[in-house]
Amino acid sequence: GAVVSQHPSWVICKSGTSVKIECRSLDFQATTMFWYRQFPKQSLMLMATSNEGSKATYEQGVEKDKFLINHASLTLSTLTVTSAHPEDSSFYICSAEKTGSYEQYFGPGTRLTVT
Amino acid sequence: AQSVAQPEDQVNVAEGNPLTVKCTYSVSGNPYLFWYVQYPNRGLQFLLKYITGDNLVKGSYGFEAEFNKSQTSFHLKKPSALVSDSALYFCAVRDRRNDYKLSFGAGTTVTVRA
Repeated sequence: GAVVSQHPSWVICKSGTSVKIECRSLDFQATTMFWYRQFPKQSLMLMATSNEGSKATYEQGVEKDKFLINHASLTLSTLTVTSAHPEDSSFYICSAEKTGSYEQYFGPGTRLTVT
Repeated sequence: AQSVAQPEDQVNVAEGNPLTVKCTYSVSGNPYLFWYVQYPNRGLQFLLKYITGDNLVKGSYGFEAEFNKSQTSFHLKKPSALVSDSALYFCAVRDRRNDYKLSFGAGTTVTVRA
């Protein structure tokens, strides 16, 4: 298989603090990972494309200084939500593409609640 | 630009009846097409994909989909639905010329009643 994990699965933080979410490909290497945001009963919105060893590519309207992405290895990408606010509360999902498969494998998601 | 339309927010069927979830797409070039399923508070699970070849694609859990280039559609089907098929289904497209980026439809909630 091709398994992607995320940690933590859920997190509650106070407004103004920062939260780091990890995304790992457990049994394959991924030069490219993706970060999505999903609001309740809505579709996935691509936030950014994370490339190993280089800067992430952010979608229009996504603040790169607020959502810091680091892809330090072929199996790990991290998303840090800096100075979180209640409106950042959401379900964050990462995915990784297995080379040659054309398909993205998704993590189980992280539920972020900012109080 | 690429986009996906899922015209039905909800689909309700009785267990044992056929299930169809509709999807149409728009891309500049040739598409890669995917179906994913999402259960509450979970990530997406891959069901099937069309890359090339036979227009009828068979996937996980008895699902299949047919690629129709003239109608730009990729409808998901299952001959006999189960209550456990109740979930949120997403169609997604990737333009072969637009590296990696997937565009998702709005999703269709499927409810299968016993």
